[in-house]
Amino acid sequence: KNQVEQSPQSLIILEGKNCTLQCNYTVSPFSNLRWYKQDTGRGPVSLTIMTFSENTKSNGRYTATLDADTKQSSLHITASQLSDSASYICVVSPFSGNTGKLIFGQGTTLQVKP
Amino acid sequence: IAGITQAPTSQILAAGRRMTLRCTQDMRHNAMYWYRQDLGLGLRLIHYSNTAGTTGKGEVPDGYSVSRANTDDFPLTLASAVPSQTSVYFCASSDSQQPQHFGDGTRLSIL
Repeated sequence: KNQVEQSPQSLIILEGKNCTLQCNYTVSPFSNLRWYKQDTGRGPVSLTIMTFSENTKSNGRYTATLDADTKQSSLHITASQLSDSASYICVVSPFSGNTGKLIFGQGTTLQVKP
Repeated sequence: IAGITQAPTSQILAAGRRMTLRCTQDMRHNAMYWYRQDLGLGLRLIHYSNTAGTTGKGEVPDGYSVSRANTDDFPLTLASAVPSQTSVYFCASSDSQQPQHFGDGTRLSIL
């Protein structure tokens, strides 16, 4: 069964610290992997998207990595800010194109404290 | 500002009533999607449309219907609401292989 598992389920860090969120997937075939940020009461917003041939992708203080062999991805947040408090969702697309058949992880809830 | 508009933002509905959630995008994206998000679960696809005039079933389509009369609008209808349809509903759109753009959701409570 296609699955996307994220860890930890929740995380609390102090402002200015770094953190890494994990995503393991058992999706086949595989087209691309995306990380989304979802603020409370808002819709998810795309952070990064990587195909199977890409190992890393950055978006400001957010850096995503992908190991297609081990089927693992991570999202590293550098120098965290209070505005980073949100849910981070790992999403795997089995197919290219607009099928909409994405596999969503449950998300990691990050709380950044002053 | 370009994006997706969902309406209403929230709604309390009696079981058995009919309800249509509205979704409009102004990005001229071909594909549109409806998801539901429940606590402890990832977003689940209800229905999708790859282009105007076509629709498809997602992972959890039962009890829901959609239509795609034009590029911009993709309404989701609950013909006879049940309490298990209490959820947050997100509409999204995308073009080609670009990431999906999401609306800010409709919070629906069925009593």
